[in-house]
This record gives sequence, C-alpha cells and structure tokens, in this order.
Amino acid sequence: AQSVTQLGSHVSVSEGALVLLRCNYSSSVPPYLFWYVQYPNQGLQLLLKYTSAATLVKGINGFEAEFKKSETSFHLTKPSAHMSDAAEYFCAVSLNAGNMLTFGGGTRLMVKP
Amino acid sequence: GAGVSQSPRYKVTKRGQDVALRCDPISGHVSLYWYRQALGQGPEFLTYFNYEAQQDKSGLPNDRFSAERPEGSISTLTIQRTEQRDSAMYRCASSLALAGGGNEQFFGPGTRLTVL
Repeated sequence: AQSVTQLGSHVSVSEGALVLLRCNYSSSVPPYLFWYVQYPNQGLQLLLKYTSAATLVKGINGFEAEFKKSETSFHLTKPSAHMSDAAEYFCAVSLNAGNMLTFGGGTRLMVKP
Repeated sequence: GAGVSQSPRYKVTKRGQDVALRCDPISGHVSLYWYRQALGQGPEFLTYFNYEAQQDKSGLPNDRFSAERPEGSISTLTIQRTEQRDSAMYRCASSLALAGGGNEQFFGPGTRLTVL
C-alpha cells in the first residue's frame, strides 16, 4: 500500500520569500513521485516528477524537489515566491503497475504582497 | 493541440437520478484514468483503462458506479441512483503510454457534480 502526507493544508509566504511545501510518502517499493499544481477552475498541471534518476528534480516555474529516501520525503521548494504561485499543490505517488496516482490532501499556497 | 476535455463542467441532479460524465482524452493517449475529489481533499483513484480494456476498478465505491471506454477513446463514468454523498469533483486524466513507468497524466478540468 502507498500513502502520501502533506504537512500543512495552508501555507502563507510573502512575495520573494522561500516556498517550502512538505510531502512524505510511504511505499513498499521504490515509488514514482509527482507534484501537481491546481489553479482555480482548471485541471491539475504537472510541476515535476521523480522517476529514480537524479534525486534533485527541477520543474516548471522555478520549482524543484528533492527525493530523500532516508526521510521518505519529496518536499517542493522555490527560492522566491511570486504572486502567480498562489494555488493548490498536490503531492502524489505511484507504483510501476497501473500508474494510478495516490494523492496527498493538498496544500493551499497563499502569497502576500 | 487540445487537452483533456470533460462534459458537462457542472451537473446538478436530484437524489435517485442517474448521471453520465464524459471524458474526451488527448488524441492518441492509450491510458485513461478517473478520479474523484471531495472538497478540501486530494483526488482519489476510481478506475483506469488501457485502450478499451478496464484494467482496475478497485477504487469504484460501490456497484452504482461504472465506467466504459468502448472504442478506446472517449470514456463515460455513470453513477446510478445518485446519493448526496456522491457530490464531488470528478476528474479524468490520460497518458500517452501504457500505464507504468511514472508516465505523466494530463488532467481535464473536471465535472463538478452536486446531488440535491
């Protein structure tokens, strides 16, 4: 079985500040890990994914995430927040078979001017 | 090119009625997934197809829920005798390759179902 925990359902940062969104997973086998972003009234958009290559993964819009097996974590970071980053972010895990995604509960990021 | 489309975008129905939700995947995408997202939660897997074959329906809550993809393209999720607890956002996703290997899933905008 696999599961995903996102610590903090709401995160608020000031524009220009570091963004850190936390994700921990549990999986019985090496997982594939994803971060998706959801803007209002839109579908989920892939930010980045980890597929057992480099542990530091760079994605779109300046986001990156680091896979840490020892900590079973895949936290999402961005050095400097923009107002346009305000959205809901979902961490997800999948195993090889089937590729169905198991999502965390989501973190709503708010960016203050 | 066009992304994943879903229709209707909003559906309001009365308890006991049947509803059919449609998903039109990206052209050429082999795998198609259905998820349900309750308010304030992440999406939960319902079922998926490779081509026209339903591979896994373990996430369907009960036998009132069914899905089909008869020609390996458009898919329909049907909920019979709807109940208020079925109210949620229903999301469809498709991926280019057969399921496996961490392939990216492209999501549609969803259908928001409200059961009165």
